[in-house]
Amino acid sequence: GDSVTQMEGPVTLSEEAFLTINCTYTATGYPSLFWYVQYPGEGLQLLLKATKADDKGSNKGFEATYRKETTSFHLEKGSVQVSDSAVYFCALRHASGGSYIPTFGRGTSLIVHP
Amino acid sequence: DGGITQSPKYLFRKEGQNVTLSCEQNLNHDAMYWYRQDPGQGLRLIYYSQIVNDFQKGDIAEGYSVSREKKESFPLTVTSAQKNPTAFYLCASSSTDRTIQETQYFGPGTRLLVL
Repeated sequence: GDSVTQMEGPVTLSEEAFLTINCTYTATGYPSLFWYVQYPGEGLQLLLKATKADDKGSNKGFEATYRKETTSFHLEKGSVQVSDSAVYFCALRHASGGSYIPTFGRGTSLIVHP
Repeated sequence: DGGITQSPKYLFRKEGQNVTLSCEQNLNHDAMYWYRQDPGQGLRLIYYSQIVNDFQKGDIAEGYSVSREKKESFPLTVTSAQKNPTAFYLCASSSTDRTIQETQYFGPGTRLLVL
């Protein structure tokens, strides 16, 4: 079955540092890939997505590129802020077929210090 | 504004009591989902529904029940059979239209605590 593996956290950085959160997946076919962010005490919200190989999703300074050859969708940001402290979830979902159930990674906590 | 609402924000359950968590969406989505979130364990799927009057068990359905009588509503009941209900519960919805990129939209969550 499908699976998503994220690097374990917490990831602790100083403000303005470069961020990478690794995400790799196992799936048949060509799923869509997503990054969701969860701020403390809130639900998840979509951060960015990519629907086919070599697509780059971007939002709020975050980027991730859909790499079919390495089955990866790593999240990056050039300069993090304290307000980026949150839990980040990588997910995949198939665009076709009968099931619309996404598969989530376990989440990676990011802590940014001033 | 379109979105998903969950209520209450906090819910307290006594031993042997059933409690119901509300989830309402005005996004006109066919599919709705319930997840349980425990610290360090990510999201676990409890139940999902792709159409009114139909729903399927997820990975951890035991001790929970749902109904889907209206497109907008997908309430979750935590029964007394659920022995460890303390968790953060998230409701989500999505389109089942294959022409729409398949983003899930989440509610703000309900934190359930046992007295």
